[in-house]
Amino acid sequence: NAGVTQTPKFQVLKTGQSMTLQCAQDMNHNSMYWYRQDPGMGLRLIYYSASEGTTDKGEVPNGYNVSRLNKREFSLRLESAAPSQTSVYFCASSVSSGGATDTQYFGPGTRLTVL
Amino acid sequence: ILNVEQSPQSLHVQEGDSTNFTCSFPSSNFYALHWYRWETAKSPEALFVMTLNGDEKKKGRISATLNTKEGYSYLYIKGSQPEDSATYLCAWRAQTLTFGGGTRVLVKP
Repeated sequence: NAGVTQTPKFQVLKTGQSMTLQCAQDMNHNSMYWYRQDPGMGLRLIYYSASEGTTDKGEVPNGYNVSRLNKREFSLRLESAAPSQTSVYFCASSVSSGGATDTQYFGPGTRLTVL
Repeated sequence: ILNVEQSPQSLHVQEGDSTNFTCSFPSSNFYALHWYRWETAKSPEALFVMTLNGDEKKKGRISATLNTKEGYSYLYIKGSQPEDSATYLCAWRAQTLTFGGGTRVLVKP
């Protein structure tokens, strides 16, 4: 049981390049999330998908797009990377997004550097 | 933007000592408060989910209390061990989870 997997683990981009971060979960969860983690700022929500076929903006969506490809997979795309997007990106999933006690399960993270 | 704040940002604890730290959150429209433990080079893992004022949760040497009326939660570590070294995150549940900045705990042997 792999849980939540993310690829790649590390990536270096030049300003203006594009890339897609991949996330997959095998727990049959309905909801998936993308966060970024910056020093001293905890985890900030970029986008989430409450269920297959839906996506919603989080706290910091600018510069990103997402696709909920199917129930298992949720990708994050940077169309034109900027140095301000240098961060560690975490994908997470939960049974649902509406339950107050639904625990989120996190992937291992992708460390992205934009030069 | 709803503020979830944790203090202190970091603390050093001698092995065997007990410690505690705080998470403060909006007291209105409260649904739940989550605590996560995040070890270096690993993913955050859920510790507790707390929903009721006065809730107390315990897992081994780690426990947490909740005051929803005044908007704070304490996390306690009793008899700290080096394996307790981690960043402890709290998250306030509204439509989604809003995370605090974390308290980084380093337990020195």
